[in-house]
Amino acid sequence: GAVVSQHPSWVICKSGTSVKIECRSLDFQATTMFWYRQFPKQSLMLMATSNEGSKATYEQGVEKDKFLINHASLTLSTLTVTSAHPEDSSFYICSAPTPGGMNTEAFFGQGTRLTVV
Amino acid sequence: AQKITQTQPGMFVQEKEAVTLDCTYDTSDPSYGLFWYKQPSSGEMIFLIYQGSYDQQNATEGRYSLNFQKARKSANLVISASQLGDSAMYFCAMREGLSGGYQKVTFGIGTKLQVIP
Repeated sequence: GAVVSQHPSWVICKSGTSVKIECRSLDFQATTMFWYRQFPKQSLMLMATSNEGSKATYEQGVEKDKFLINHASLTLSTLTVTSAHPEDSSFYICSAPTPGGMNTEAFFGQGTRLTVV
Repeated sequence: AQKITQTQPGMFVQEKEAVTLDCTYDTSDPSYGLFWYKQPSSGEMIFLIYQGSYDQQNATEGRYSLNFQKARKSANLVISASQLGDSAMYFCAMREGLSGGYQKVTFGIGTKLQVIP
């Protein structure tokens, strides 16, 4: 079964409002989680690396004030899209490396389809 | 330069036949891992198979095998006995620098596979 749970799976919000997306590791503790964004028919682009107890590391070109990441516990990371605009509409997906070493793959959440109207 | 290159935007395969999805990569790091993920229309990312740069043998997982040719920097995915449920997007991905913490995973642009009855 899924070991990373992401909610909500889809959300529609009005332009200018904020949306929070949660990513939970269910069966293990995740000190690191990754947040990706995927536009239609495109690949996954890493937005930021979420680190428990410290600030997130953002990729070049990602606005950290717009995409707020909080990793408050070992099982939960949240991504908040602040003052959302239609161009923020996208598929957002998180992942967490599983314990067991560097060679293990990362499990992904189910993804969140955000539509800003 | 692209780190992961998938040159096949779309592929068709007859049910029960085998199909090879191409992937080449570019890295100067001696330690890296290669992954294949499947993404059905629902959006979830499903891990299929992993190959480490130091692994001597090609990885296999059920009907999936990875044709790893290190000198050519290719990591093609072979799906045997295709099933209708295999229709999806397939992403090749790479993680570099395995010795120093959880490094980000870089994805290719994907190949859309359609299995024909």
